[in-house]
Amino acid sequence: SQQGEEDPQALSIQEGENATMNCSYKTSINNLQWYRQNSGRGLVHLILIRSNEREKHSGRLRVTLDTSKKSSSLLITASRAADTASYFCAKATNAGKSTFGDGTTLTVKP
Amino acid sequence: EAQVTQNPRYLITVTGKKLTVTCSQNMNHEYMSWYRQDPGLGLRQIYYSMNVEVTDKGDVPEGYKVSRKEKRNFPLILESPSPNQTSLYFCASRFVGTSVSSSYNEQFFGPGTRLTVL
Repeated sequence: SQQGEEDPQALSIQEGENATMNCSYKTSINNLQWYRQNSGRGLVHLILIRSNEREKHSGRLRVTLDTSKKSSSLLITASRAADTASYFCAKATNAGKSTFGDGTTLTVKP
Repeated sequence: EAQVTQNPRYLITVTGKKLTVTCSQNMNHEYMSWYRQDPGLGLRQIYYSMNVEVTDKGDVPEGYKVSRKEKRNFPLILESPSPNQTSLYFCASRFVGTSVSSSYNEQFFGPGTRLTVL
């Protein structure tokens, strides 16, 4: 498996509910990023959190980072059907390597 | 429009026939990278480049070559493609260094190239 591991692999919720996805990693990071991918298309950057930050917000997105536990979570509040996609965390090092997890597939039912 | 372009978008080829997938970005990014994505999996990094004439191996470099002669271009070369290189390929770019902007290091992705090797 890869360095960034998402949990759960799949998540199905009703519109309006909150969705929480988790990401764990094994080695130290410079920053951790979350991306969204609609089926078979390119990834779109959602939010970046640096190793010295604990929480970031962007609209309905909230990301937390716990470096002691080597984990991050992405919370999407008041989900919409349009949020249906795969979500990936990516770990970045200063040296340029970038490692993605296997993703969480989110389905939001109308 | 700021973007990363890849060509071709779709390619079907045969084992052993050399091919090149081009990648170009217009954002003056120093960093460029190639990834492959297989069904149900995340992206795996093939090669990356921190700047012109500087390239490094990612996690799955075997069977691939890259070059970075110009800042905007980062072609991916498969000298002798094999069926296990059938995959969806993405190119990405970003700035290097740090900035007060929280999104400074975000990667911008191309639309992907779906490659089938028969």
